[in-house]
Amino acid sequence: EVQLVESGGGLVQPGGSLRLSCAASGFTFSSYAMSWVRQAPGKGLEWVSAISGSGGSTYYADSVKGRFTISRDNSKNTLYLQMNSLRAEDTAVYYCAKRRLGGIAVAGPQDYWGQGTLVTVSS
Amino acid sequence: EIVLTQSPGTLSLSPGERATLSCRASQSVSSSYLAWYQQKPGQAPRLLIYGASSRATGIPDRFSGSGSGTDFTLTISRLEPEDFAVYYCQQYGSSPPTWTFGQGTKVEIK
Repeated sequence: EVQLVESGGGLVQPGGSLRLSCAASGFTFSSYAMSWVRQAPGKGLEWVSAISGSGGSTYYADSVKGRFTISRDNSKNTLYLQMNSLRAEDTAVYYCAKRRLGGIAVAGPQDYWGQGTLVTVSS
Repeated sequence: EIVLTQSPGTLSLSPGERATLSCRASQSVSSSYLAWYQQKPGQAPRLLIYGASSRATGIPDRFSGSGSGTDFTLTISRLEPEDFAVYYCQQYGSSPPTWTFGQGTKVEIK
């Protein structure tokens, strides 16, 4: 059974940093591109970042480019999101999600999602 | 950047009725790159449809997707109590990979 479990969320002050983790199990983690998608309270979904299965290719939404860094440790089956220079508008539930198909491609829909971790940026 | 506009914002229907949700793109989208998700309160999104019309694993056949170009539709043939939720369309590009969501349509019990 595919499982994605996020952790690392919490309350942080504006300008602060936080690192989110997503522990994956039930599939060959290194074979799948992964994404982070966020949802501000009461709002819709916003794609944040994606990474290829090997970790060699990374992509970011303009809203987080230069502040967030996505990475993965395939030996630990874990996805990360390092978030720096956090702003109030980064407050959201952050979901990690698995690409539906494996392989070298990154684009595509996500078929499994974690339950999310809440990040609150406030003084 | 492609913008997805979903309508209506809220759909009030009774169980057993048919639901028709619209997703309109600001420019033409490859049908292969359009998906639909369901999200219930406090839960993660669930993939329903990919490639505009293919049902994801385990999705009941009362859910169907159609459309091409700039106009896409999600149809729920007969609403079950568990179908009342928010539905999002998603478009994904490949060069470079990016994803865009519509703002969502809430299907509520009338």
